Amino acid sequence: DQQVKQNSPSLSVQEGRISILNCDYTNSMFDYFLWYKKYPAEGPTFLISISSIKDKNEDGRFTVFLNKSAKHLSLHIVPSQPGDSAVYFCAASPKGGAGSYQLTFGKGTKLSVIP
Amino acid sequence: SQTIHQWPATLVQPVGSPLSLECTVEGTSNPNLYWYRQAAGRGLQLLFYSVGIGQISSEVPQNLSASRPQDRQFILSSKKLLLSDSGFYLCAWTDQVVAFFGQGTRLTVV
Repeated sequence: DQQVKQNSPSLSVQEGRISILNCDYTNSMFDYFLWYKKYPAEGPTFLISISSIKDKNEDGRFTVFLNKSAKHLSLHIVPSQPGDSAVYFCAASPKGGAGSYQLTFGKGTKLSVIP
Repeated sequence: SQTIHQWPATLVQPVGSPLSLECTVEGTSNPNLYWYRQAAGRGLQLLFYSVGIGQISSEVPQNLSASRPQDRQFILSSKKLLLSDSGFYLCAWTDQVVAFFGQGTRLTVV
């Protein structure tokens, strides 16, 4: 049972245009959502996050939108750059104290930004 | 600042051989530590997590085990590797909000 789903395994976007990566979740207990970027043969790096009390968080070219009623979040990258080409993972964590913090990851979306 | 070290970067091991991957964290005390695996074409699967020395929780029954002999050291082991153990192994620590990952170990079992 996949609790975090990234239904698009890959996405190609022209340089300078907007990239929209989507993520759906099924667990209502998820309280915090994160996006990670991963290059081949490297560990994922944290990109941006959003708490369930917000519906939008922006950091430079990256914006994450959360629609709690639809259990859906998206990552927008504007403008897209060739260096953004990577695999993007959506992750979610439930509420809880020390020891219960765990991230559930989606399978990732490979973004290719074409120059 | 906190840093996480993971080694080796790549490893090729024969089936049936033992495994030991090591991870250390600097710049923080009593971190929550995690081992993840990314198999080919799949997402990140949580294998083990630890909230303190000697405290290990396993998420997936398998051929692997983990140990935490020191506060900032986390070890992933196997007595006998299987072909299905091949993958990209990642160590991570969290500040209770964000997980920070090491560079990963590419394990190929032949």
